[in-house]
Amino acid sequence: EVQLVQSGAEVKKPGESLKISCKGSGYTFSNYWIAWVRQMPGKGLELMGTVYPGDSDAIYSPSFQGQVTISADKSISTAYLQWSSLKASDTAMYYCARCRRPYYKGAFDMWGQGTLVTVSA
Amino acid sequence: EIVLTQSPGTLSLSPGERATLSCTASQSVFSNYLAWYQQKPGQAPRLLIYGASSRATGIPDRFGGSGSGTDFTLTISRLEPEDFAVYYCQQYGSSPWTFGQGTKVEIK
Repeated sequence: EVQLVQSGAEVKKPGESLKISCKGSGYTFSNYWIAWVRQMPGKGLELMGTVYPGDSDAIYSPSFQGQVTISADKSISTAYLQWSSLKASDTAMYYCARCRRPYYKGAFDMWGQGTLVTVSA
Repeated sequence: EIVLTQSPGTLSLSPGERATLSCTASQSVFSNYLAWYQQKPGQAPRLLIYGASSRATGIPDRFGGSGSGTDFTLTISRLEPEDFAVYYCQQYGSSPWTFGQGTKVEIK
């Protein structure tokens, strides 16, 4: 079964660092672009960036450039989203999603279950 | 950046009725690389349509996508109870990829 399984919910304080993960299984992880998508409470979907696990090429949406780091380790079929210094405004649900076709960017046909990140003093 | 504007914001309909959702882009979407997703409360989004009009695997044929250039439509021919949800369009033709703000389809 093709699936993406994300790490569990996190509660952090402002200024702390965090790295969340997304593990793929049931397919050749290195061949498919993975995206990270933010959904703030009660709001819509925002694409943060994408990573190609085959060569770790990461592309960021302008709003998120410099704010987060997206990476992947193809040896363990896992993509990551990390923050060096969290803010209260980072409180959101974060989804990873897989592009539909190997090698190409495109629509997202498989989604993780989401990781809820809460940042509060 | 391409801005996608979805209308209406909320659509109130009864089961069995036809739903027509609109997504308008601020500039032409390259190769009609436009997708539609459905999201229910507490769940991750689900891909319905890609390439403006191709149904994703396992999507019932009551869901249809159409349009090109800057104007796109998602049609649900006859609403089933499980179709009441929020729907998002997304363009992946130009970086940065962007989502619309969503249309909520609610039970009238």
